[in-house]
Parts: sequence; structure tokens; C-alpha cells
Amino acid sequence: QKEVEQNSGPLSVPEGAIASLNCTYSDRGSQSFFWYRQYSGKSPELIMSIYSNGDKEDGRFTAQLNKASQYVSLLIRDSQPSDSATYLCAGGRAAGNKLTFGGGTRVLVKP
Amino acid sequence: DAGVTQSPTHLIKTRGQQVTLRCSPKSGHDTVSWYQQALGQGPQFIFQYYEEEERQRGNFPDRFSGHQFPNYSSELNVNALLLGDSALYLCASSLGLAGGVTQYFGPGTRLLVL
Repeated sequence: QKEVEQNSGPLSVPEGAIASLNCTYSDRGSQSFFWYRQYSGKSPELIMSIYSNGDKEDGRFTAQLNKASQYVSLLIRDSQPSDSATYLCAGGRAAGNKLTFGGGTRVLVKP
Repeated sequence: DAGVTQSPTHLIKTRGQQVTLRCSPKSGHDTVSWYQQALGQGPQFIFQYYEEEERQRGNFPDRFSGHQFPNYSSELNVNALLLGDSALYLCASSLGLAGGVTQYFGPGTRLLVL
């Protein structure tokens, strides 16, 4: 079992709709979670970080964390074609800032 | 404010050769982590440098080594290259070693081993 798992996709979403991305993790020592966006051929770019159970909103993005279920999600509202990318979920422990990444979910927003 | 920089951007080597990749962290950052990203996969942690010492290491062989300089820049060295070392090598910088600190990635170095 991988430490961080994501559905590889592609997740096809109509423009203007909500994209819902999921991530599960197995390491109960993970305390912080990050969502990165990666365009093809580019490096990961931070979208959101979340540390506490519940929701965290930033513009069109909402991250959700449920530590009891070991589940992290990312919602993208009003999806735009420019949101088409691979979204990487990563977890980090309380000490040391090594990140463990999932394989990424490819999102395709169709006009 | 300069972000994370890496050099070179692309590199082609043959099996058995050695390669050195370079990274300069974001201004104000003192910690550098290196990741390997194979095509279609998520980044895998190689190791992390802080105060010129390797602080954490992932599941990579000793062929992968590194160094951090007093100005916080870092090098990743890979010896005896294998075809499977072909990947995007990412450098990430952050401030300190505390958990939960955000890491910012450089543009990466794409290595092709023939």
C-alpha cells in the first residue's frame, strides 16, 4: 500500500463545474498536508496547505482534512480550462519536513 | 525576491557517468530538499540538507549524494548512472526543519540517461 494514494484520473470536468479530488494516507504520523498543482513539463506549485481537521478555503479552492478517516480532499469551484493540470497531494510529519507525495490526479477541464 | 533556481535545465548523460545538479534556495530559506520525479509519478524524497548536513534521507542508494554550502545552495550528485535515473529532479527550499513548513519547488532539472 502506498503511503499517499490518489486516483490517477483523468478527471474530466465541464468548465464552470466543481472538480473534486481525493487523497488518502496511511501514515498516522502525518500532520500537515499540501496540495500542489503541476502543469505538464513544469514543477509543482503550491495551492493549499491544511493542518487541522475541517475545511480551509482560498479563493476557488477548498481543502478538507479528516484525520480520523485519513482523508484529504480538494474542491475546485468554477473550474476553468487553465485548471487543467495534475494535482499532487502530499503529507508531512510533525518533525522534519520531508514530504510524501501521491501519484497525482490529472484534471481536464473542458470548455 | 528570487525564487528557487536550478541548473542545468536539461541534461543528457550515458550509463555509468556521473552528474551534478545545482540548486539555490529562495531568498531567506536555509533548508534544501531534493526529490526525484519519474514520468507519470509523484515526486520521491531523496534527501534534505540543513546547516550543511544531511538531515533526512529517503530510500535511495548511496550513488545519490549531496552537499550544502554556507550560502545554503546545494548540489545533488549521482554516480554510476542507470537508465532508471532518468527523471525530473526537483529542489525544494524551506525555512527550518519544523514539520508543516511549506516547501517551494524550483523549475527542476530533466535528466535523460541513455
